[in-house]
Amino acid sequence: EVQLVESGGGLVQPGGSLRLSCAASGFTFSSYWMSWVRQAPGKGLEWVANIKQDGSEKYYVDSVKGRFTISRDNAKNSLYLQMNSLRAEDTAVYYCARSWYSYAYWDYWGQGTLVTVSS
Amino acid sequence: EIVLTQSPDFQSVTPKEKVTITCRASQSIGSSLHWYQQKPDQSPKLLIKYASQSISGVPSRFSGSGSGTDFTLTINSLEAEDAAAYYCHQSSSLPWTFGQGTKVEIK
Repeated sequence: EVQLVESGGGLVQPGGSLRLSCAASGFTFSSYWMSWVRQAPGKGLEWVANIKQDGSEKYYVDSVKGRFTISRDNAKNSLYLQMNSLRAEDTAVYYCARSWYSYAYWDYWGQGTLVTVSS
Repeated sequence: EIVLTQSPDFQSVTPKEKVTITCRASQSIGSSLHWYQQKPDQSPKLLIKYASQSISGVPSRFSGSGSGTDFTLTINSLEAEDAAAYYCHQSSSLPWTFGQGTKVEIK
């Protein structure tokens, strides 16, 4: 059974940092592109970043470029999102999701982890 | 950036009714359009891929159509369990974008 389990969310002050993790199981992690997608409270979905199977390609939405870094460790079947210089508008549930190809759909999603940026 | 506009934003429907949700792209995206269902307090679930391709395990009452800039998600004979928000998503060009969502309520 495919499972994606996010962790690392919490309350952080504006300007602070947080590192999210996503533990994958039930599939060959190194064969898939992985993404982070977020959802602000009561709002719609927004793609944040994605990373190629071997980590050689990474893409970001403009609003997080230079502040967030996506990475992965295929030996540990884990995906990460390092978030620096956090802003109130980064407050959201962050989901990790997998796709077989960058230009494709996300077929499995985690349950999400909530990040709250507030003083 | 490709903007996806869904209509309507909200729909209140009685069981067994047919529901139609449209998604319009700001430029042609071929068939690179996917649909997701999100129930309250759950993560999104893939319903339709590449505009019209069905997904294993998804009830056959869900179907999709369209290409280019205009797409439709149809729910035939709505059931109570279909109360949810529905989102379209384009994977034609970066940044990947979503429609604003359509909330379907059961009367």
